[in-house]
Amino acid sequence: DAKTTQPTSMDCAEGRAANLPCNHSTISGNEYVYWYRQIHSQGPQYIIHGLKNNETNEMASLIITEDRKSSTLILPHATLRDTAVYYCIVRGTGANNLFFGTGTRLTVIP
Amino acid sequence: GAVVSQHPSWVICKSGTSVKIECRSLDFQATTMFWYRQFPKQSLMLMATSNEGSKATYEQGVEKDKFLINHASLTLSTLTVTSAHPEDSSFYICSARREGRGTGELFFGEGSRLTVL
Repeated sequence: DAKTTQPTSMDCAEGRAANLPCNHSTISGNEYVYWYRQIHSQGPQYIIHGLKNNETNEMASLIITEDRKSSTLILPHATLRDTAVYYCIVRGTGANNLFFGTGTRLTVIP
Repeated sequence: GAVVSQHPSWVICKSGTSVKIECRSLDFQATTMFWYRQFPKQSLMLMATSNEGSKATYEQGVEKDKFLINHASLTLSTLTVTSAHPEDSSFYICSARREGRGTGELFFGEGSRLTVL
C-alpha cells in the first residue's frame, strides 16, 4: 500500500470548514483513498473513501486531485465533537486490512 | 452504518492471568476480521488477521501463542491474551470487513482497554 503524508496537527474554529490535506504521491491506479477518524479512547470511525472522483456523504467531502497524488478531506462545519485524529489511508483492491500512519490531530476551537 | 461491537470495553487483571476479548459484527457477516493494538499517543498497529474457519495470520513480531485468535463464526472473533503481563496493557481494537463497493469497507469496534497489574 502507498504511503501517505499528513500534517501532524491542525486547528479549526468551530463552525468553519476544516480542510485536512493528505499526500499520496506513490498511489497506484487500483488504490482507493480512505479517511477514518479516531476520537480519544474509541475505535476508528469510517468517514469516506474514493478512487478518483470527488465524493460527498453526510459527514464530509473528499476532493481528490486529478493526478490522484493528493486529496483533501473537508468537514464543512466543524463542531467540537469533530476533534479527533484523522487518518488518510490508501488501500488496494487486493488488500484486506488498513495500515495506519500517524494521522492529523484536528482540534476544533470554540 | 455497520456495527462492530467489542466486549469488554475495559478490563483489569492480575499478571499471569488470561483475558478474552470478543469482537462481533452485529449486522453483517465477516469472513475476515483484524486485531490491532494501540499504545498511548501512538497509531494503531495491526497484530493479526482473523479468518473464519482457518488459522489466523500474525504480523511479524506478534507471538501467536500469547495472543490466541479464534474466528469460529462469521460474526465472532475472539482474542485471548494468555499469561498477561504489565507490558501487554494496551488498547485492543478489532475491525471487520464488509464486502461492498471497491475494496469493501472496514468497520471498527469501540476498543477494549486492558490493564495488567
